[in-house]
Amino acid sequence: EDKVVQSPLSLVVHEGDTVTLNCSYEVTNFRSLLWYKQEKKAPTFLFMLTSSGIEKKSGRLSSILDKKELFSILNITATQTGDSAVYLCAVVLDTGANSKLTFGKGITLSVRP
Amino acid sequence: DAGVTQSPTHLIKTRGQQVTLRCSPKSGHDTVSWYQQALGQGPQFIFQYYEEEERQRGNFPDRFSGHQFPNYSSELNVNALLLGDSALYLCASSVAKNIQYFGAGTRLSVL
Repeated sequence: EDKVVQSPLSLVVHEGDTVTLNCSYEVTNFRSLLWYKQEKKAPTFLFMLTSSGIEKKSGRLSSILDKKELFSILNITATQTGDSAVYLCAVVLDTGANSKLTFGKGITLSVRP
Repeated sequence: DAGVTQSPTHLIKTRGQQVTLRCSPKSGHDTVSWYQQALGQGPQFIFQYYEEEERQRGNFPDRFSGHQFPNYSSELNVNALLLGDSALYLCASSVAKNIQYFGAGTRLSVL
């Protein structure tokens, strides 16, 4: 059975801290890994990773994929209260003509002032 | 450019009733996927529509059905509602197998 595991499940930090969010997976037909940020309802897209070892970066956020060890990390530096959200990791399974997302449970990040 | 829009935003139903949720994809997107997100959980894949056909289905009973229209919009229907169907229902659209973009969801409460 395809599995995506995120850790830790929740995290409380102070503004200015750096955090690392983890995502490991055991799936068949891996195509890519996506990170989303969910603040209230709509998950918003952050990164898509398809190749090992290539870091994707956007401002204070960065992410990298290790296809050999089957995991990805999302780093957030100099955290702000606006970074408080649930961070979802999803693996895209390449099943012929279709592509479904298999999600982890999410990591709840709380950034205190 | 409007993103993915879903309606209604909230819905309250009683057990045994039927419900229809609606989704309009982003402009230019042709594929719609539906997910169920229970409280404290990640979204679970229900099914995906492309060219008005259900292309793939997750582990959900036949009470869950859908439809895609020629303008690519989509509906999710759930019959014989159970308490356990209470969740946030998310619609995502994409161009074929590319990145899926999500709507704000419909919060369904079954009493």
